[in-house]
Amino acid sequence: AQKVTQAQTEISVVEKEDVTLDCVYETRDTTYYLFWYKQPPSGELVFLIRRNSFDEQNEISGRYSWNFQKSTSSFNFTITASQVVDSAVYFCALRNRNTGTASKLTFGTGTRLQVTL
Amino acid sequence: DAGVTQSPTHLIKTRGQQVTLRCSPISGHKSVSWYQQVLGQGPQFIFQYYEKEERGRGNFPDRFSARQFPNYSSELNVNALLLGDSALYLCASSLGTGLSPLHFGNGTRLTVT
Repeated sequence: AQKVTQAQTEISVVEKEDVTLDCVYETRDTTYYLFWYKQPPSGELVFLIRRNSFDEQNEISGRYSWNFQKSTSSFNFTITASQVVDSAVYFCALRNRNTGTASKLTFGTGTRLQVTL
Repeated sequence: DAGVTQSPTHLIKTRGQQVTLRCSPISGHKSVSWYQQVLGQGPQFIFQYYEKEERGRGNFPDRFSARQFPNYSSELNVNALLLGDSALYLCASSLGTGLSPLHFGNGTRLTVT
C-alpha cells in the first residue's frame, strides 16, 4: 500500500516570508515518482514538479525549491519570499512504477497556504 | 491552446438520481483520467482511459462508470447517487505516454441532496 501524509493542514504567513510545506510518503516499491500540485480557488490542479525516486538531486526553480530525501521518505517544498498569489492548497502525490496505470496518483490531504500582506 | 474543459461547472442532484459529467482533453492528449475530491481531502483516482479503453480503475463501486469517445473526450456516469457522492470531480488529460504530466480541468462541483 502507498500513502502520502501532509501533516500541516493550514499555514499562514506574511508576504515575503519563506515557507516550507512538508510531505512524507510510504511505499514498498523501489521505483516511484513524487509530485507537487497547486490548487488555487478556481479548482484546477496545477502541476509544479515531478521527482523520480532514483534522482535525489534537489531542485530550485525561481522562488520554489524542493528537498527530496529518500532516507526519511520526505519530499518537502519551499517557497522563498512568499507572495499573496501563492495562496492555494498544495498537494503532494505519489505514483508507483508498478501501478499499472500512469495516471493513478495517490494524493495527500493537502496544505492550505494563506499569504497575507 | 485550450486546457482541459469540464461541464457542467456545478450540478445539484437528488439522492437516487443519475448524473453524467463531461470532459474534453487538451488537443493531442489521448488519455483521460477522473478523480473525486471530497471537501477537505486530496483527489482520489476513479478511472483512466487511454485510446478509448479503460486502463485503470480505483476503489469505487460499480455505480461509477465512464467511457471515452473517438475524439478522446470522456464522460463519467454515476448512478443511484448517494449523499457521499457530493464532491468536486476532476478530469485530467495527458499524452498517456511514460510519465507525461497530468493536466487538470477546473472540475465539476456535484452536490447531492
